[in-house]
Amino acid sequence: EVQLVESGGGLVQPGRSLRLSCAASGFTFDDYAMHWVRQAPGKGLEWVSGISWNSGSIGYADSVKGRFTISRDNAKNSLYLQMNSLRAEDTALYYCAKGPYRVAPPFDYWGQGTLVTVSS
Amino acid sequence: QSALTQPASVSGSPGQSITISCTGTSSDVGSYNLVSWYQQHPGKAPKLMIYEVSKRPSGVSNRFSGSKSGNTASLTISGLQAEDEADYYCCSYAGSSSVVFGGGTKLTVL
Repeated sequence: EVQLVESGGGLVQPGRSLRLSCAASGFTFDDYAMHWVRQAPGKGLEWVSGISWNSGSIGYADSVKGRFTISRDNAKNSLYLQMNSLRAEDTALYYCAKGPYRVAPPFDYWGQGTLVTVSS
Repeated sequence: QSALTQPASVSGSPGQSITISCTGTSSDVGSYNLVSWYQQHPGKAPKLMIYEVSKRPSGVSNRFSGSKSGNTASLTISGLQAEDEADYYCCSYAGSSSVVFGGGTKLTVL
């Protein structure tokens, strides 16, 4: 059974940093691209970032480019999102999602999300 | 990276069919057959319903179907059921390792 479990969310002040993690199991992690998708309270889905199976291709939404860094450790079956210079508008539930081998949809499995709240 | 355009809401009665549109540009929907659709019930994670414009994952009812014409993709749900009431999001590859979602459509089953 595919499982994606996010962690690392919490309350953080504007301008500070936070690192999210996603632990994957139930599939061959290094065969697939992985993504972060967020959802602000009461709002729609927003793709944040994606990384190919071998980290050779990486993409970011314009809203986070230069502030967020996606990475993965295939030996640990883990995906990460380093979030710097956080803003109030980054407040959202952050989902980890599994894609095909390249940075593209579809996202066939999703975690339950980890909540990030940016507030002073 | 502008969001794809979806109607904010649609509604239908049980047994009827509804269609949700998803309009993008020649840089995303119009250029790639990598459009997917997701269903999200309140408080739940999204669920993949359609991928590559018209393909259904295993386990998804054949009442759900997808299509595309030019820069607009569509999701059709036939034989509406109460459990279909949810938010629906379209998604497209936009080139250069980027992805864009639609704003979402709230489906109400009357």
